[in-house]
Amino acid sequence: GAVVSQHPSWVICKSGTSVKIECRSLDFQATTMFWYRQFPKQSLMLMATSNEGSKATYEQGVEKDKFLINHASLTLSTLTVTSAHPEDSSFYICSAKGTGNWELGQYFGPGTRLTVT
Amino acid sequence: RKEVEQDPGPFNVPEGATVAFNCTYSNSASQSFFWYRQDCRKEPKLLMSVYSSGNEDGRFTAQLNRASQYISLLIRDSKLSDSATYLCVVRYNAGNMLTFGGGTRLMVKP
Repeated sequence: GAVVSQHPSWVICKSGTSVKIECRSLDFQATTMFWYRQFPKQSLMLMATSNEGSKATYEQGVEKDKFLINHASLTLSTLTVTSAHPEDSSFYICSAKGTGNWELGQYFGPGTRLTVT
Repeated sequence: RKEVEQDPGPFNVPEGATVAFNCTYSNSASQSFFWYRQDCRKEPKLLMSVYSSGNEDGRFTAQLNRASQYISLLIRDSKLSDSATYLCVVRYNAGNMLTFGGGTRLMVKP
C-alpha cells in the first residue's frame, strides 16, 4: 500500500523557536496533503489542506502565519510551527491523497509529537 | 453539535465478547464513511470502509443507515489486540476532506 513518512517523529523545542515537520509520500505522487493536529484524548482536527504548487487552505481558527505550509513538490509538504509556545504541543499528523479518486481516502503519516518547553 | 459524534467509552470487555460501537453524523450530504483504528501515540489506520448494504471483514461488521445518519461497527470474538481507539470518519466532498469523530476507546481484557 501507499506509504507516507514524517520527519521528525518526535521533537522537543524551547518556547519561541520554530519547528519544521516534513511529510513525504514515498511511493506515489500526492496531489493533496492534509495536516491534522491531535491533542491528548481528543480526535484529529484538520488544520489545513495543501495542493501541490498552490497556497494551503486553512481551517477556521488556524493561524496561517503561525503554521506555515509549503507543498512545493508532489512528494513533499512541510509544516513549520513558527514561534512555538507550550500550547502548540501536540501530535501533528499529515496525510496524503494521490492522483485519481481513491475510494480509501487518505494515507496517514506516522505523526510527529511536538513538545514545547 | 459535533459533525461526527461517538460515545468516547471506554468499553471494557472480556476476550471473546462481542462489542458494538455507534456513530452519528450531522451532514446529510456525506458521501463516504470509514472506520479507522488508532493505537496509542500512533497514526490512524483504515480498518474498513462502510457501505450502504453493510459489509463484513472477518470479525468486523460495519453498517450504514443513511436515513438515520448512523454508522455502526460490530466486533465479534474480541481479541486483546483489538484494544485501541476506533474512529468514525466521514467524507463530505470530492476534495477528500475527512471529518473524524472523537473516537471510542476499547479495552479487551483477559
